[in-house]
Amino acid sequence: DARVTQTPRHKVTEMGQEVTMRCQPILGHNTVFWYRQTMMQGLELLAYFRNRAPLDDSGMPKDRFSAEMPDATLATLKIQPSEPRDSAVYFCASGIQGRGPTNEKLFFGSGTQLSVL
Amino acid sequence: ILNVEQSPQSLHVQEGDSTNFTCSFPSSNFYALHWYRWETAKSPEALFVMTLNGDEKKKGRISATLNTKEGYSYLYIKGSQPEDSATYLCAPLGSARQLTFGSGTQLTVLP
Repeated sequence: DARVTQTPRHKVTEMGQEVTMRCQPILGHNTVFWYRQTMMQGLELLAYFRNRAPLDDSGMPKDRFSAEMPDATLATLKIQPSEPRDSAVYFCASGIQGRGPTNEKLFFGSGTQLSVL
Repeated sequence: ILNVEQSPQSLHVQEGDSTNFTCSFPSSNFYALHWYRWETAKSPEALFVMTLNGDEKKKGRISATLNTKEGYSYLYIKGSQPEDSATYLCAPLGSARQLTFGSGTQLTVLP
């Protein structure tokens, strides 16, 4: 049963520490999205990759956040240095583009719950 | 990033009631409209992807309609059950092909 895998599921860290979240998209999917769940904005888009190329990271605070796809099986989201306001659930989702819009639904991972103390 | 509005923000209904909620989005640069169901402590799951004006999709007791000219979609649930309790998210897909989610409608079905 293909699914998006995110690690870790939970992360508690202290302010100022580096945090790395990882995502393994479903094999064969060519898009990866990073979303952050917030109380105010629901699912906030942070970054978006297609065929491993970053297409949109305008929603991401550039000074501390970075997103990369070193290969087709791994996407990473890093926060350095982390701050308490970064505490949230971070979701990764993957999908397929190029086979028609009705095939472009996203499959979400279980999320990483981050707490920055 | 598209401006997406969903209403109502939350809704409580009795088991057996039928209900509907609205998603409004800019009608320009429209490519597709997604609906997702998000249960507490789980991840969002896709319900429908709609592309054509006047399109209607159905999955069991849940259906959705789309008006691309005026920029809205309705989600209907017929005969709500407690297991329908979830947050229902809509997300228009713009020309840049990224999904922008609304804040959702939180549905609670009371037994």
